[in-house]
Amino acid sequence: GNSVTQMEGPVTLSEEAFLTINCTYTATGYPSLFWYVQYPGEGLQLLLKATKADDKGSNKGFEATYRKETTSFHLEKGSVQVSDSAVYFCALRNNNDMRFGAGTRLTVKP
Amino acid sequence: DVKVTQSSRYLVKRTGEKVFLECVQDMDHENMFWYRQDPGLGLRLIYFSYDVKMKEKGDIPEGYSVSREKKERFSLILESASTNQTSMYLCASRRTVSEQFFGPGTRLTVL
Repeated sequence: GNSVTQMEGPVTLSEEAFLTINCTYTATGYPSLFWYVQYPGEGLQLLLKATKADDKGSNKGFEATYRKETTSFHLEKGSVQVSDSAVYFCALRNNNDMRFGAGTRLTVKP
Repeated sequence: DVKVTQSSRYLVKRTGEKVFLECVQDMDHENMFWYRQDPGLGLRLIYFSYDVKMKEKGDIPEGYSVSREKKERFSLILESASTNQTSMYLCASRRTVSEQFFGPGTRLTVL
Protein backbone atom coordinates (compact mmCIF):
# COMPACT_ATOMS: atom_id res chain seq x y z
CA GLY A 1 0.00 0.00 0.00
CA ASN A 2 0.88 3.68 0.02
CA SER A 3 2.59 5.17 3.06
CA VAL A 4 4.82 8.02 4.18
CA THR A 5 7.41 8.01 6.95
CA GLN A 6 8.95 11.23 8.16
CA MET A 7 11.48 11.95 10.84
CA GLU A 8 10.12 12.34 14.29
CA GLY A 9 10.34 15.64 16.05
CA PRO A 10 10.44 17.86 17.68
CA VAL A 11 13.27 19.67 15.95
CA THR A 12 14.73 22.76 17.59
CA LEU A 13 17.14 25.02 15.70
CA SER A 14 18.68 28.41 16.12
CA GLU A 15 17.86 31.14 13.63
CA GLU A 16 19.90 30.90 10.41
CA ALA A 17 20.64 27.20 10.93
CA PHE A 18 20.28 24.65 8.12
CA LEU A 19 17.15 22.53 8.17
CA THR A 20 16.58 18.99 6.90
CA ILE A 21 13.42 17.01 7.58
CA ASN A 22 13.61 13.50 6.17
CA CYS A 23 10.71 11.88 4.35
CA THR A 24 10.55 8.49 2.67
CA TYR A 25 7.62 6.85 0.98
CA THR A 26 6.26 3.52 -0.17
CA ALA A 27 4.09 3.39 -3.25
CA THR A 28 3.59 1.53 -6.50
CA GLY A 29 3.75 3.45 -9.71
CA TYR A 30 4.44 7.18 -9.83
CA PRO A 31 3.00 9.13 -6.92
CA SER A 32 3.03 12.90 -6.57
CA LEU A 33 4.78 14.17 -3.46
CA PHE A 34 3.99 17.17 -1.26
CA TRP A 35 5.13 19.11 1.78
CA TYR A 36 2.48 20.89 3.83
CA VAL A 37 3.01 23.35 6.67
CA GLN A 38 0.71 24.01 9.61
CA TYR A 39 1.18 27.18 11.64
CA PRO A 40 -0.22 27.26 15.20
CA GLY A 41 -4.00 27.17 15.32
CA GLU A 42 -4.42 26.88 11.55
CA GLY A 43 -5.10 24.28 8.88
CA LEU A 44 -2.49 22.78 6.60
CA GLN A 45 -1.14 24.81 3.69
CA LEU A 46 0.66 23.44 0.67
CA LEU A 47 4.33 24.42 0.85
CA LEU A 48 5.69 22.70 -2.26
CA LYS A 49 5.16 19.72 -4.52
CA ALA A 50 6.81 17.51 -7.13
CA THR A 51 4.98 15.30 -9.57
CA LYS A 52 7.72 13.20 -11.18
CA ALA A 53 11.14 11.80 -10.47
CA ASP A 54 14.00 14.34 -10.20
CA ASP A 55 11.57 17.27 -9.97
CA LYS A 56 12.52 19.86 -7.39
CA GLY A 57 9.74 21.68 -5.59
CA SER A 58 10.58 25.02 -4.00
CA ASN A 59 8.82 27.82 -2.14
CA LYS A 60 9.75 30.44 0.50
CA GLY A 61 13.36 29.19 0.56
CA PHE A 62 12.34 25.58 1.14
CA GLU A 63 13.28 22.87 -1.35
CA ALA A 64 12.68 19.15 -1.82
CA THR A 65 13.75 16.82 -4.63
CA TYR A 66 11.76 13.77 -5.70
CA ARG A 67 14.26 10.88 -5.57
CA LYS A 68 12.75 7.73 -6.96
CA GLU A 69 15.87 5.65 -6.47
CA THR A 70 15.83 6.27 -2.72
CA THR A 71 12.03 6.82 -2.47
CA SER A 72 12.69 10.07 -0.64
CA PHE A 73 11.50 13.67 -0.61
CA HIS A 74 13.54 15.42 2.08
CA LEU A 75 12.70 19.02 2.97
CA GLU A 76 15.59 21.50 3.24
CA LYS A 77 16.10 25.16 3.97
CA GLY A 78 19.45 26.87 4.10
CA SER A 79 18.69 29.43 6.79
CA VAL A 80 15.62 29.11 8.98
CA GLN A 81 13.79 32.00 10.61
CA VAL A 82 11.71 32.20 13.77
CA SER A 83 8.65 32.54 11.54
CA ASP A 84 9.31 29.04 10.12
CA SER A 85 8.28 27.51 13.43
CA ALA A 86 5.42 25.18 12.53
CA VAL A 87 4.52 21.53 11.96
CA TYR A 88 5.61 20.10 8.60
CA PHE A 89 3.84 17.19 6.93
CA CYS A 90 5.13 15.09 4.06
CA ALA A 91 2.42 13.57 1.84
CA LEU A 92 1.93 11.53 -1.29
CA ARG A 93 -0.94 11.11 -3.70
CA ASN A 94 -1.10 7.92 -5.76
CA ASN A 95 -4.08 8.01 -8.11
CA ASN A 96 -6.90 9.01 -5.75
CA ASP A 97 -5.27 7.83 -2.53
CA MET A 98 -3.59 10.52 -0.41
CA ARG A 99 -1.40 9.71 2.60
CA PHE A 100 0.23 11.98 5.16
CA GLY A 101 3.21 11.52 7.41
CA ALA A 102 2.84 12.02 11.16
CA GLY A 103 4.22 15.56 11.05
CA THR A 104 7.43 17.09 12.39
CA ARG A 105 7.29 20.05 14.75
CA LEU A 106 9.98 22.64 14.11
CA THR A 107 10.85 25.34 16.62
CA VAL A 108 13.31 28.05 15.64
CA LYS A 109 14.83 30.07 18.47
CA PRO A 110 16.17 33.60 17.99
CA ASP B 1 -7.65 30.85 -4.93
CA VAL B 2 -9.31 27.75 -3.62
CA LYS B 3 -11.13 28.37 -0.45
CA VAL B 4 -12.24 25.77 2.07
CA THR B 5 -14.23 27.21 4.94
CA GLN B 6 -15.39 25.59 8.15
CA SER B 7 -18.38 26.83 10.10
CA SER B 8 -16.61 27.41 13.42
CA ARG B 9 -13.03 27.87 14.59
CA TYR B 10 -13.85 26.93 18.18
CA LEU B 11 -16.76 24.94 19.55
CA VAL B 12 -17.63 23.79 23.06
CA LYS B 13 -20.29 21.13 23.52
CA ARG B 14 -21.55 18.89 26.30
CA THR B 15 -21.41 15.11 26.41
CA GLY B 16 -24.37 13.58 24.60
CA GLU B 17 -25.10 16.58 22.40
CA LYS B 18 -25.46 16.19 18.64
CA VAL B 19 -22.78 18.21 16.90
CA PHE B 20 -22.66 19.40 13.29
CA LEU B 21 -19.42 20.55 11.68
CA GLU B 22 -19.90 22.16 8.30
CA CYS B 23 -17.39 22.49 5.48
CA VAL B 24 -17.80 24.36 2.21
CA GLN B 25 -15.43 24.57 -0.77
CA ASP B 26 -15.77 26.94 -3.69
CA MET B 27 -13.78 25.23 -6.45
CA ASP B 28 -16.13 22.48 -7.62
CA HIS B 29 -13.90 19.72 -6.21
CA GLU B 30 -15.23 16.19 -6.45
CA ASN B 31 -13.49 14.89 -3.35
CA MET B 32 -13.97 16.04 0.21
CA PHE B 33 -12.47 14.74 3.44
CA TRP B 34 -12.78 14.99 7.21
CA TYR B 35 -9.76 14.40 9.45
CA ARG B 36 -9.12 14.71 13.12
CA GLN B 37 -5.74 15.78 14.43
CA ASP B 38 -4.49 14.86 17.88
CA PRO B 39 -1.04 15.41 19.42
CA GLY B 40 1.33 12.61 18.50
CA LEU B 41 -1.18 10.92 16.18
CA GLY B 42 -0.94 13.11 13.08
CA LEU B 43 -3.93 13.30 10.75
CA ARG B 44 -6.47 10.51 10.88
CA LEU B 45 -9.09 10.17 8.18
CA ILE B 46 -12.65 9.91 9.48
CA TYR B 47 -14.78 9.92 6.31
CA PHE B 48 -14.46 11.00 2.71
CA SER B 49 -16.70 11.53 -0.27
CA TYR B 50 -16.00 11.21 -3.98
CA ASP B 51 -19.27 12.70 -5.16
CA VAL B 52 -22.59 14.06 -4.04
CA LYS B 53 -24.48 11.63 -1.81
CA MET B 54 -21.48 9.29 -1.74
CA LYS B 55 -19.50 8.57 1.39
CA GLU B 56 -16.77 6.20 2.39
CA LYS B 57 -15.41 5.30 5.80
CA GLY B 58 -11.89 6.30 6.58
CA ASP B 59 -9.64 4.91 9.28
CA ILE B 60 -11.65 6.01 12.34
CA PRO B 61 -15.36 6.38 11.44
CA GLU B 62 -16.80 5.13 14.73
CA GLY B 63 -18.95 7.72 16.47
CA TYR B 64 -19.24 9.89 13.36
CA SER B 65 -21.44 10.19 10.31
CA VAL B 66 -21.35 12.50 7.29
CA SER B 67 -23.67 14.10 4.80
CA ARG B 68 -23.02 15.39 1.30
CA GLU B 69 -26.23 16.69 -0.22
CA LYS B 70 -24.51 19.29 -2.42
CA LYS B 71 -21.14 19.11 -4.16
CA GLU B 72 -19.69 22.07 -2.29
CA ARG B 73 -20.75 21.06 1.22
CA PHE B 74 -19.61 18.17 3.41
CA SER B 75 -20.91 17.89 6.94
CA LEU B 76 -19.50 15.87 9.81
CA ILE B 77 -21.97 14.77 12.47
CA LEU B 78 -21.24 13.57 15.97
CA GLU B 79 -24.47 11.81 16.91
CA SER B 80 -23.76 11.86 20.65
CA ALA B 81 -20.59 13.74 21.52
CA SER B 82 -18.17 12.18 23.97
CA THR B 83 -15.12 13.59 25.72
CA ASN B 84 -12.78 11.43 23.60
CA GLN B 85 -13.99 13.35 20.55
CA THR B 86 -12.33 16.50 21.82
CA SER B 87 -9.95 17.28 18.98
CA MET B 88 -9.02 19.51 16.06
CA TYR B 89 -11.17 18.69 13.03
CA LEU B 90 -9.86 19.49 9.56
CA CYS B 91 -11.86 19.49 6.35
CA ALA B 92 -10.15 19.20 2.97
CA SER B 93 -11.06 19.01 -0.70
CA ARG B 94 -9.35 18.30 -4.00
CA ARG B 95 -9.80 17.20 -7.56
CA THR B 96 -8.88 13.58 -8.20
CA VAL B 97 -5.41 14.44 -9.48
CA SER B 98 -4.42 17.54 -7.57
CA GLU B 99 -3.09 18.56 -4.20
CA GLN B 100 -5.39 18.75 -1.23
CA PHE B 101 -6.69 22.05 0.15
CA PHE B 102 -7.49 22.36 3.83
CA GLY B 103 -9.85 24.51 5.84
CA PRO B 104 -8.66 26.41 8.93
CA GLY B 105 -9.85 23.71 11.32
CA THR B 106 -12.42 23.52 14.11
CA ARG B 107 -11.17 22.98 17.62
CA LEU B 108 -13.94 21.05 19.37
CA THR B 109 -14.06 20.62 23.13
CA VAL B 110 -16.57 18.20 24.61
CA LEU B 111 -17.19 18.70 28.32
